[in-house]
Amino acid sequence: EVQLLESGGGLVQPGGSLRLSCAASGFTFSSYAMSWVRQAPGKGLEWVSASSGSGGSTYYADSVKGRFTISRDNSKNTLFLQMTSLRADDTAVYYCAKQAGITIFGVADYWGQGTLVTVSS
Amino acid sequence: EIVITQSPATLSVSPGERATLSCRASQSINSNLAWYHQKPGQAPSLLIYGASTRATGIPARFSGSGSGTEFTLTISSLQSEDFTVYYCQQYHNWPLTFGGGTRVGIK
Repeated sequence: EVQLLESGGGLVQPGGSLRLSCAASGFTFSSYAMSWVRQAPGKGLEWVSASSGSGGSTYYADSVKGRFTISRDNSKNTLFLQMTSLRADDTAVYYCAKQAGITIFGVADYWGQGTLVTVSS
Repeated sequence: EIVITQSPATLSVSPGERATLSCRASQSINSNLAWYHQKPGQAPSLLIYGASTRATGIPARFSGSGSGTEFTLTISSLQSEDFTVYYCQQYHNWPLTFGGGTRVGIK
């Protein structure tokens, strides 16, 4: 059974940093692209960042480029999102999502339960 | 960036009736389109990929169609658990983008 468990969310001040983690199990982690998708309170979905299965290709939404870094440890089946220079409009539930193939150009077939990031003073 | 527009934003349907949701892409995405639904307090869940292929375990009352720029999700006979929010998403180009969603409510 595929499981994705996010952690690391919380309350942070504007300009601060946070690191999200996603522990994966139930599939061969290195064989699949992984992503972070966020949802601001009461709003729609935004694809934030994605990583190919090897981690060699990474992609970012313009809204987070230069501030967020996606990485993965395939030996520990874990995906990360390092977030810096956080702003109020980064406040959202952040979902970890497994993609259906090794490249990022695919659907998200499994999702974690999400972790809430709140940026506020 | 490929812009995805969903319509209508809200749809009111009686249980047992058919619901038709639309999704339009700002440029051709071939069949690189997925549909998800999201129940309150839960993560999104994949319904359809490749514009028309049902994901594992999805009932046959859900069907997708279209290619290029125009797509449709049809729910043939709405059940109580289907009254929720639906999103379409393109995976043709980065950034991967979602539509704004259609909320299906009880009439």
